[in-house]
Amino acid sequence: QVQLVESGGGVVQPGRSLRLSCAASGFTFSNYGIHWVRQAPGKGLEWVAVISYDGRTQYYGDSVKGRFTISRDNSKNTLYLEMNRLSSEDTAIYYCAKDSGYCTATSCRHMDVWGQGTTVTVSS
Amino acid sequence: EIVLTQSPDTLSLSPGERATLSCRASQSVSSFLAWYQQKPGQAPRLLIYDATNRVTGIPLRFSGSGSGTDFTLTISSLEPEDSAVYYCQQRNKWPLTFGGGTKVQIK
Repeated sequence: QVQLVESGGGVVQPGRSLRLSCAASGFTFSNYGIHWVRQAPGKGLEWVAVISYDGRTQYYGDSVKGRFTISRDNSKNTLYLEMNRLSSEDTAIYYCAKDSGYCTATSCRHMDVWGQGTTVTVSS
Repeated sequence: EIVLTQSPDTLSLSPGERATLSCRASQSVSSFLAWYQQKPGQAPRLLIYDATNRVTGIPLRFSGSGSGTDFTLTISSLEPEDSAVYYCQQRNKWPLTFGGGTKVQIK
């Protein structure tokens, strides 16, 4: 079955870095855009970033632009999120979510499959 | 960025009643709006895409309507398992944005 499994979360000090991974299975990974979406404790959903099917195009939310980098390795069916200069405001559950299409430079479609999330806590 | 405002914040209804959830966009998103359901401790689940299209496997009691700036998710006859938070999300312009959510409580 179609599945996304996030990993790499944990407790990290403010100002430090962390890399999240999302392992995909059950579908042709290289045919779809993939998103990161986060949810702070007790809060709503916040879109973080997306990468196109071929890795050539990335878009970011304003709150992470310049600090986070999304990338993918289609040979390993894996998505990554490199997070730098972390602050307490980045504390959240981070979900990866498959787009239902390629995600081109003009638009993506909708997020039809979600992982269970990995928790990032930024604290000294 | 496009701001999505959901109302009400919380909806408390009895089983069998009709639930009407609203999502209003700060500018037109055409029909590029999706609805997600999130139950406690779970990841979100896609219910409706492009305003009116129900995902395969989603019960018929869920329906979406609207275009431009005003959208509605209707649950025609509430079941106990519909207790959840519902989010709208637009894909018309970058950055993608979500609404703040509506919590549906079953009495």
